[in-house]
Amino acid sequence: QKEVEQDPGPLSVPEGAIVSLNCTYSNSAFQYFMWYRQYSRKGPELLMYTYSSGNKEDGRFTAQVDKSSKYISLFIRDSQPSDSATYLCAIPAGNMLTFGGGTRLMVKP
Amino acid sequence: ETGVTQSPTHLIKTRGQQVTLRCSSQSGHNTVSWYQQALGQGPQFIFQYYREEENGRGNFPPRFSGLQFPNYSSELNVNALELDDSALYLCASSYQTSGRRNEQYFGPGTRLTVT
Repeated sequence: QKEVEQDPGPLSVPEGAIVSLNCTYSNSAFQYFMWYRQYSRKGPELLMYTYSSGNKEDGRFTAQVDKSSKYISLFIRDSQPSDSATYLCAIPAGNMLTFGGGTRLMVKP
Repeated sequence: ETGVTQSPTHLIKTRGQQVTLRCSSQSGHNTVSWYQQALGQGPQFIFQYYREEENGRGNFPPRFSGLQFPNYSSELNVNALELDDSALYLCASSYQTSGRRNEQYFGPGTRLTVT
């Protein structure tokens, strides 16, 4: 079992839709959780991080952690074509980040 | 833009050759990490450098090696290239603290193709 798992998609939604992106993880000791966005042929860009359980909101983006289920989510409200990218969840483990495989999102005008 | 730069952008090498990739970290950051990202997959941690020494290594063979310089820039060297080394190589810089948040900021990557 991989430490961090993510549905690869692709996920295709119409502009304005609410998008839900999800990851599961295996190690209950993990405390911080991050979401990166990666446009085609670019490096990952840090979007948000959360600590422990609960929600964190930043504009149209909300990150949610459910430690009891080992489940993390990123919600995007009012999705835009410019949100089309691969979204990677990442968890710090010592010096490294452990990434999920990424979910490719396509928002169609 | 993060301020992390990498060179070259693209590189084509032949199996068995050696390659050196370069990274300049973001201003104020003292730690550099390298990741390999195969097509359609998430980045995989290769190693990290802090204070010019290796500070953690992922599941990569010794033919992957690195350096960090006093200005915190870094090199990734790969010897005896194999076809499976074809990937996007990402450099990430961060500021080492005692906290566990470990926010890392990535450069644009170097795309290596091994033929």
